[in-house]
Amino acid sequence: DIVMTQSPDSLAVSLGERATINCKTSQSVLYTSNNKNYLGWYQQKPGQPPKLLIYWASTRESGVPDRFSGSGSGTDFTLTISSLQAEDVAVYYCQHYFGTFAFGPGTKVDIK
Amino acid sequence: QITLKESGPTLVKPTQTLTLTCTLSGLSVSSSGAGGVGWIRQPPGKGLEWLGNIYWDDAKTYNSSLKSRVTITKDTSKNHVVLTMTNMDPVETATYYCAHRMSDVGTYDHWGQGILVTVSS
Repeated sequence: DIVMTQSPDSLAVSLGERATINCKTSQSVLYTSNNKNYLGWYQQKPGQPPKLLIYWASTRESGVPDRFSGSGSGTDFTLTISSLQAEDVAVYYCQHYFGTFAFGPGTKVDIK
Repeated sequence: QITLKESGPTLVKPTQTLTLTCTLSGLSVSSSGAGGVGWIRQPPGKGLEWLGNIYWDDAKTYNSSLKSRVTITKDTSKNHVVLTMTNMDPVETATYYCAHRMSDVGTYDHWGQGILVTVSS
């Protein structure tokens, strides 16, 4: 099974500054036949279910603000919040869907 | 508008079998395409654990660490999906979510609010 790791475990960023979250998979989730990375990102606020932000590693879900962006390929991925807003305080999870499914352990984002 | 809602017992005893139902609105378990429903759980204060998926064509995939204990089925007459998990343990106290797996993408775009299940004698 593919093992997911995320770094850092938590980070605190000033309002308006950039937040960067990393996700690593133990084996490539790039499907070479269609050149797509089978990886998504979610945001979870306290008391709420997760909300889908990104799929195919870099495709933003409808309605997600463009300050959220995803990048990476193969085994190394990044979620970037270009200008942190107060409402972005949450835990962020990556998820692979390459064969079976699994979530990363999560990264907590706070305001500095 | 797509909604999902989990229902079932909020308290089960150790070794008992947990059965949860996910009722769908705005989509049908008889749909065509590669979509489906997944079950995910989250212990209090911890991360997300994928349990398994059922697809509209009735194919199923399960978390290998739980495979022998988890069964997911769908009832087309009631338009719902059922999760069954045997031999429950107190460490499996968690919020259990069902979520819609997008067609042709393995991410979940709609989630239920979740149901907190406590495993305790």
